[in-house]
Amino acid sequence: KQEVTQIPAALSVPEGENLVLNCSFTDSAIYNLQWFRQDPGKGLTSLLLIQSSQREQTSGRLNASLDKSSGRSTLYIAASQPGDSATYLCAVTAGDYKLSFGAGTTVTVRA
Amino acid sequence: GAVVSQHPSWVICKSGTSVKIECRSLDFQATTMFWYRQFPKQSLMLMATSNEGSKATYEQGVEKDKFLINHASLTLSTLTVTSAHPEDSSFYICSARSLLADKETQYFGPGTRLLVL
Repeated sequence: KQEVTQIPAALSVPEGENLVLNCSFTDSAIYNLQWFRQDPGKGLTSLLLIQSSQREQTSGRLNASLDKSSGRSTLYIAASQPGDSATYLCAVTAGDYKLSFGAGTTVTVRA
Repeated sequence: GAVVSQHPSWVICKSGTSVKIECRSLDFQATTMFWYRQFPKQSLMLMATSNEGSKATYEQGVEKDKFLINHASLTLSTLTVTSAHPEDSSFYICSARSLLADKETQYFGPGTRLLVL
């Protein structure tokens, strides 16, 4: 069974600092890995999707890397802003096309 | 495009009553819909997978008689929590897979918060 772990569980940084969020998964046989953002009491917003054949994806201040062989992904958020405060979820898609989610990293960016 | 809606967005009910949650794909046809549950400070856990016109497949540990899923059309799936109890209070999120998109792509609804008193 796929296990997805996210470290740290929570992170608080001053505005302007770069954020580094980690995700690890136990079964490397994945189709893709996604990073989502979830605001309190809200649904999910897809941020980045990395196919299993890719090493990284970038969108604006966000960059996600994927090392499938070691079962790791890292989400980098450059020059953090208070509006980046949210919970970030990592999810992998396995052979049955089901998503397995990590527990998330709750980020607080202090103004 | 690829918008999924859920109704209601939140619901409060008394213990013992049944609650129905709707998940709709607004601008695409969904061959498959997924239902997730999220407890506070925890991640999303897949409850069941439903395919249009067939019975839902439930994940281990999810009671199929308690969480009734109907996927009667390519744009609508419903989750009914029967005889709800306080421990069923949670955030329920659905997602849908498009008939035309990659099988790995799911579009998520905004979620329904259920509080059982």
